[in-house]
Amino acid sequence: QKEVEQNSGPLSVPEGAIASLNCTYSDRGSQSFFWYRQYSGKSPELIMFIYSNGDKEDGRFTAQLNKASQYVSLLIRDSQPSDSATYLCAVKIGDMRFGAGTRLTVKP
Amino acid sequence: EADIYQTPRYLVIGTGKKITLECSQTMGHDKMYWYQQDPGMELHLIHYSYGVNSTEKGDLSSESTVSRIRTEHFPLTLESARPSHTSQYLCASRTDPREAFFGQGTRLTVV
Repeated sequence: QKEVEQNSGPLSVPEGAIASLNCTYSDRGSQSFFWYRQYSGKSPELIMFIYSNGDKEDGRFTAQLNKASQYVSLLIRDSQPSDSATYLCAVKIGDMRFGAGTRLTVKP
Repeated sequence: EADIYQTPRYLVIGTGKKITLECSQTMGHDKMYWYQQDPGMELHLIHYSYGVNSTEKGDLSSESTVSRIRTEHFPLTLESARPSHTSQYLCASRTDPREAFFGQGTRLTVV
């Protein structure tokens, strides 16, 4: 089992819809969780971090953390074509470990 | 804004050449990383460092080497480049418990 697993995708949603990206992790003791966005040919950039159970909202983005079930998700409301990118989940398991990423396409 | 820099951004080099990819950060981060990433594929950790004079190999077997003589500098060296080394190389740095910051990457092509 990989330490950080993401839904394989690719994920395609229409413009204006909610995109839901999921991530599970293996270490119950993990404390820090991050979502990165990576445009094609570019470097990953941080969009959200969450440390506590529950929801954390930032504009159109909501991160959700459930430590008991060992999953973290990212919701993107009112998806825009500019949201089309690969989204990487990262979890601090000892050191920071990245998932393989989920490619999201938002169709106009 | 992240202060981590990679040079060169693009490099085309012949087989057998020795190359060094540079990575510097001005944030005073103790932890630094090198990742290899092919287009559309996941990040693969090839080397990391937790401080000066500390270097470790990552999950992906690599023919490269690294050094960490100064906190801010973490160069990656390929002694003899091969076409199989063609990829994007990303440098990152962080300090606990914060996130990793990435450089802009070096796109390497070995011909």
